[in-house]
Amino acid sequence: EIVMTQSPATLSVSPGERATLSCRASQSVSNNLAWYQQKPGQAPRLLIYGASTRATGVPARFSGSRSGTEFILTISSLQSEDFAVYYCQQYNSWPPYTFGQGTKLE
Amino acid sequence: EVQLVESGGGLVRPGGSLKLSCTASGFTFSTYEMNWVRQAPGRGLEWVSHISRGASTIYHADSVKGRFTISRDDAKNSLYLQMNSLRAEDTAVYYCARAVFVYGSSPFDYWGQGNLVTVSS
Repeated sequence: EIVMTQSPATLSVSPGERATLSCRASQSVSNNLAWYQQKPGQAPRLLIYGASTRATGVPARFSGSRSGTEFILTISSLQSEDFAVYYCQQYNSWPPYTFGQGTKLE
Repeated sequence: EVQLVESGGGLVRPGGSLKLSCTASGFTFSTYEMNWVRQAPGRGLEWVSHISRGASTIYHADSVKGRFTISRDDAKNSLYLQMNSLRAEDTAVYYCARAVFVYGSSPFDYWGQGNLVTVSS
């Protein structure tokens, strides 16, 4: 099973600032990596798949990148609605699909 | 508009059974692979089960294998999760989720609103 490790657990930033979230896979997942945003009481929302492809309707301030087994989600200029928990998911080697433990943006 | 509406959750005693349903609309349900994902209170996301188009391929997480069964009824645009021998650690919000890609490994682009299952005596 591939283990996904996200860091930091909590990231404190201010609106307008840039946020950088990390997700590391325990082994190669190629580009088969997705990012989700989850707000309290809501279902997750797909933001990024294929490591860097934005899902439909996702603002351009969200971007994803990859360096080996490390994946980065960057939010270029934080808006108030971006404060949420973010999860990464690998879908390269499955079953099982595996998620990171989440990063809370506050 | 794509919608996934879940039902069937609630309180059940340890060792009991429950069946979750997820009714789809706004897309051709039969052409998509579907999944169940759960989230224990205050915890992260855990994939539970997958079913392919036509139900030809089914996978379950080790944590639920032998106890949970995923199924689908394309005529009713519905996905199901039969949960037996429930344990306290199965307490979670359960989401149905649609796969982005029509075949094979995939992220999930549409999710239901979530359905709370509480296992407690």
